[in-house]
Amino acid sequence: DAKTTQPPSMDCAEGRAANLPCNHSTISGNEYVYWYRQIHSQGPQYIIHGLKNNETNEMASLIITEDRKSSTLILPHATLRDTAVYYCIVRGLTTDSWGKLQFGAGTQVVVTP
Amino acid sequence: DGGITQSPKYLFRKEGQNVTLSCEQNLNHDAMYWYRQDPGQGLRLIYYSQIVNDFQKGDIAEGYSVSREKKESFPLTVTSAQKNPTAFYLCASSPPGLQLRGYTFGSGTRLTVV
Repeated sequence: DAKTTQPPSMDCAEGRAANLPCNHSTISGNEYVYWYRQIHSQGPQYIIHGLKNNETNEMASLIITEDRKSSTLILPHATLRDTAVYYCIVRGLTTDSWGKLQFGAGTQVVVTP
Repeated sequence: DGGITQSPKYLFRKEGQNVTLSCEQNLNHDAMYWYRQDPGQGLRLIYYSQIVNDFQKGDIAEGYSVSREKKESFPLTVTSAQKNPTAFYLCASSPPGLQLRGYTFGSGTRLTVV
């Protein structure tokens, strides 16, 4: 699976949009981009995933560049409860890779009042 | 509601002791996983199991053992051979096949060696 690069931390004001970048320059054509988040001392929570089209759900939006080498997770109106570590993961669809999500260090997002 | 239950939430172990962490799921998922997380770090895969009575080593299996006798249960034993077992342990499960939705995680067990 392709490696990902994320900034170690970022701050966001409550009520503003939070834009979390992720670089995955070695991504291959059949690999999806996944985002999870982990609130302190809890298990990670699935947020969203995409292949090449932009995606939106009730939690966030995912923007993937046309060359698929980077993506941005957007939390449209950040709240204090969005303070967490956010993980960007690239996952292939082969039977060898589907069972092994690889988590990096992620981005620590702190939402301030 | 369906989910994954990990117990206990906190566990203290004396050096040289084996301890077993429990993971139970009622999601009817085939695959289950154990991850270890150290402070400020990402998750590292210890073991995973795709079906009952079968499991595979992950990236850091040394000093750990697992069993998968039932679909809903995937206990992890931290043996005395694990040199630095103090960590946060997370169990996860996923449906069969190449499901895109992703994993469901438990709430974790924090193990401390005293």
